[in-house]
Amino acid sequence: GQQVMQIPQYQHVQEGEDFTTYCNSSTTLSNIQWYKQRPGGHPVFLIQLVKSGEVKKQKRLTFQFGEAKKNSSLHITATQTTDVGTYFCAGRSTNAGKSTFGDGTTLTVKP
Amino acid sequence: NAGVMQNPRHLVRRRGQEARLRCSPMKGHSHVYWYRQLPEEGLKFMVYLQKENIIDESGMPKERFSAEFPKEGPSILRIQQVVRGDSAAYFCASSPRHTGVADTQYFGPGTRLTVL
Repeated sequence: GQQVMQIPQYQHVQEGEDFTTYCNSSTTLSNIQWYKQRPGGHPVFLIQLVKSGEVKKQKRLTFQFGEAKKNSSLHITATQTTDVGTYFCAGRSTNAGKSTFGDGTTLTVKP
Repeated sequence: NAGVMQNPRHLVRRRGQEARLRCSPMKGHSHVYWYRQLPEEGLKFMVYLQKENIIDESGMPKERFSAEFPKEGPSILRIQQVVRGDSAAYFCASSPRHTGVADTQYFGPGTRLTVL
């Protein structure tokens, strides 16, 4: 079945440093979504990417969808303590009935 | 425009009791997903339902667990004869449909189940 892998599992950064998490799928995706879960909270939808090579920005967050539509990345510039949490990607392959979530990357930011 | 609602938010059960978790999807959403999350772990897919239909239950344990999404009322995740290993956060998500750009999942606040 479809597998979605995220790396790294954990990332500890100093406030102000950049952060990147990567998402790789075993199959070609029709779309990919990113979610953020704050400690003790629930996953919140951030963005969806659909087109090959697509790049979207939300303030300090940059999301990319690979040309082959099998991988994606989320990059945060100049992290802040408000960025702490776990970032999940979720990809849906062309023939799948639902999206598959990666295991997430947990970001901690040291002030 | 209420979001996904789950109740109860916290549930405590003793071993052997039943746990019933409820999820009301967002207005206009006909697709519901249930996930389980253990502390410090990711989201584990359990089941995907549409109104009156189970579409995919590949992540649901074969015994003690069941789910429904009736024509009227909330979706229910039912755990019979709970064991300590069932202690987890259970999240429900809903989407308007499962294809194209409309399959974004909106999550509820979760039910934290503790089995004593």
